[in-house]
Amino acid sequence: EPEVTQTPSHQVTQMGQEVILRCVPISNHLYFYWYRQILGQKVEFLVSFYNNEISEKSEIFDDQFSVERPDGSNFTLKIRSTKLEDSAMYFCASSRTALKGGYTFGSGTRLTVV
Amino acid sequence: KQEVTQIPAALSVPEGENLVLNCSFTDSAIYNLQWFRQDPGKGLTSLLLIQSSQREQTSGRLNASLDKSSGRSTLYIAASQPGDSATYLCAVRPRRETSGSRLTFGEGTQLTVNP
Repeated sequence: EPEVTQTPSHQVTQMGQEVILRCVPISNHLYFYWYRQILGQKVEFLVSFYNNEISEKSEIFDDQFSVERPDGSNFTLKIRSTKLEDSAMYFCASSRTALKGGYTFGSGTRLTVV
Repeated sequence: KQEVTQIPAALSVPEGENLVLNCSFTDSAIYNLQWFRQDPGKGLTSLLLIQSSQREQTSGRLNASLDKSSGRSTLYIAASQPGDSATYLCAVRPRRETSGSRLTFGEGTQLTVNP
């Protein structure tokens, strides 16, 4: 079964530091997403990405966040200057089609900002 | 704005019981609804995907139904096992969002199946 792979599984960073979370989506998927889940809260949408550009973003995804597909396989989420409230589990997901296809999620990166 | 609610928040049952988890959503304009399983500290595993034109989907001991007009979905788990213990999330893909690409999640139902 194809998987979405995320690295690292856990990252601890100092407040104000930049972090890059990495994801390898399923190879024949065209649509890529980042979601986050703060401990004890709902899973929240951050951003969707298609054809090398952002197709939709939430109000959470402000100028501190950016996404990139630097090569044919990786998809990254960068947080420029981390805050304590950025501590959460970050999930990458991909789908083959835009609207009717199901999502495949990765196992997540737990980000802890201290 | 689409809101998704799951009831109950937590459920504890003895092994072997059949059980039903509920999901409701406020806006019936959806492309599809997906049920996920989440183990503690882990990612989301897709269980079932129901398109808006479908009434139900089945996979093994799992059956999910969708009543779009009333804004409800149920996940039925037959003959529950301790390995089914996890949090179950439902998520809808709204039709009325700008591009329809985002999922809106419920809070989840935490299921414990006791041996």
